[in-house]
Amino acid sequence: GAGVSQSPSNKVTEKGKDVELRCDPISGHTALYWYRQRLGQGLEFLIYFQGNSAPDKSGLPSDRFSAERTGESVSTLTIQRTQQEDSAVYLCASSSESFNQPQHFGDGTRLSIL
Amino acid sequence: AQSVTQLDSQVPVFEEAPVELRCNYSSSVSVYLFWYVQYPNQGLQLLLKYLSGSTLVKGINGFEAEFNKSQTSFHLRKPSVHISDTAEYFCAVILYNTDKLIFGTGTRLQVFP
Repeated sequence: GAGVSQSPSNKVTEKGKDVELRCDPISGHTALYWYRQRLGQGLEFLIYFQGNSAPDKSGLPSDRFSAERTGESVSTLTIQRTQQEDSAVYLCASSSESFNQPQHFGDGTRLSIL
Repeated sequence: AQSVTQLDSQVPVFEEAPVELRCNYSSSVSVYLFWYVQYPNQGLQLLLKYLSGSTLVKGINGFEAEFNKSQTSFHLRKPSVHISDTAEYFCAVILYNTDKLIFGTGTRLQVFP
């Protein structure tokens, strides 16, 4: 499809396990964003990629969170030693430029930590 | 179907002037309401939100918004803008008791000296 694709759509895992979330942006989009959204709450910005580099990683909640992007395409968000407070929907968005262009969102990955 | 409408794609204003960015929504169920701001080379940041209670909500950087249920609106206001307020502003709703986020198309606020 032509939209932002995220996988898996749902992930249930035990506390302490590592998880990896994947985002396939729209082809040609240089900017890629990761957000976290808890039930009934607003978006929490995590990290932004321009190309393969992330100018600002300060939004990542802790050192258990990391993200990378390769080939100016696919991005992965990794959460190590998951905690229950990590339960949320993780949304990825991409845009053709970093500003003044609409962000196209994926459907998100719903992460549940037991 | 639920939707969010931001009628103004661009709003040019002079510094220290007041500004209002309009947002209307349509929904058959209750919603939570949000305004986000995006500065150059950054992700979306939450400006303010309405979940319940007082319909006048104050946010960061001197912004405020008022929820009007009868008009299904959540307009964003600031009495005196600064150059640094130049950014893209997005209105969004979440359907009550869900995590489905629906964004408006954004309004570019351009503040001139």
